[in-house]
Order: sequence, then C-alpha cells, then structure tokens
Amino acid sequence: DIVMTQAPLSVSVTPGESASISCRSSKSLLHSNGITYVYWYLQKPGKSPQLLIYRMSNLASGVPDRFSGSGSETDFTLKISRVEAEDVGIYYCGQLLENPHTFGAGTKLELK
Amino acid sequence: EVQLQESGPGLVKPSQSLSLTCSVTGYSITSNYWGWIRKFPGNKMEWMGYISYSGSTSYNPSLKSRISITRDTSKNQFFLQLNSVTTEDTATYYCARWRTGDYWGQGVMVTVSS
Repeated sequence: DIVMTQAPLSVSVTPGESASISCRSSKSLLHSNGITYVYWYLQKPGKSPQLLIYRMSNLASGVPDRFSGSGSETDFTLKISRVEAEDVGIYYCGQLLENPHTFGAGTKLELK
Repeated sequence: EVQLQESGPGLVKPSQSLSLTCSVTGYSITSNYWGWIRKFPGNKMEWMGYISYSGSTSYNPSLKSRISITRDTSKNQFFLQLNSVTTEDTATYYCARWRTGDYWGQGVMVTVSS
C-alpha cells in the first residue's frame, strides 16, 4: 500500500497568518499521463469531509483561493494563506493513484 | 445540486453484516464513480471501495473477503455490505462521488457491539 505521511499532526495558527501542511507518499504519485493523483480534504467539526485540492494543485469548486496545493512526485504541500476561523478542522491528504486509495493520518488545525 | 444521503442501522452485532444505503439525487450513478469511506474513532480514514458507472467494483484488499458494493440504478442508490463485522468496524461511514471526491454524504455512525 502507498503510505501517506503528514506533518505536522497538529498546528496552531493565528488568524490572518499562513499555514502549511506537508504530505509525503511512499511512492511517486505521478501517473504516466502526467497527472499527480494527490488530493486534499478538510473535515470541519461536525461536518463531512470536503474536497479542497484535486490532482495536486487544482482548486475544487467553491474553495477560497487562500488554499493552494503544490509538490513534486512524492512531496506535497497544502498552503493556507490568511487563515480564518472557518478553516479549523482536520486536513487529510490522500492518493488515488493505486488501489487501495489511502489517506494520511490527518493534521488538526486550531486557532491561537 | 448533487446530494448523497447514507442510511442504515446505527448498531450491528458482532459477526453480523453491516448494510448501508447511499441515495443520490441530482446526478445519475450511471456516470462517475461512487465510493464508501469510513472514519474510525481517532481520525483514521479508510477507503473501502467503489462502484463505477458501469457497475464494476474495486475494493480495498484489506476488506476484499468481507465487502460488497452493489447498486440499483432505477432508484439511483448504491449499497455497502460488510460481513462478519467486529468491534473494529465501529466507525462513521461515508458515501461519496469518488475519484472526483467532490460530493460526500453526511455520514452515518455505526457501532458494532453486542
């Protein structure tokens, strides 16, 4: 199985500041078609997970452009600029390159 | 708007089968991929499997002997059956439009306990 390793597991951010979450995969997520199959999700308290970023760097519909995704074949970053109160929750990276699709352990973002 | 809604029992006895339904509105399940994902207490997320627009399925090998995902296109629903459950299957179960991952149900908490 492809292992997704997130860091940090917890982050505390002052509103208005930026935050970055890292995710590393145990295998390249770059497909021969040129697409990198890493996704980012946010689960807000009491809510279902929501898609933030798909295919490493594409912003999902309705997601504020304060969120951005970047990376290489195995190292990925979710950046949140100007963190707001509504950004609190657990962030997950996930890979959809191979079966089984796998997730990172999650990063809990809190406000200072 | 695409909406998904899980339904099913919240309590299942050990060794029995867990059966959940995902009802989809606003989009046909004969397009795209439709998956089941669960979140365990403590935040671990696990992809369980999906059923495709054609009815083909893909399962997490860790569950392969116990899981079945089927569908009823006339009702625009798809289903999860997980056999021989144990307390380790206690989780919140979500259905989602998979691969795109852009629409999720609200989740149903299932407890396995005698």
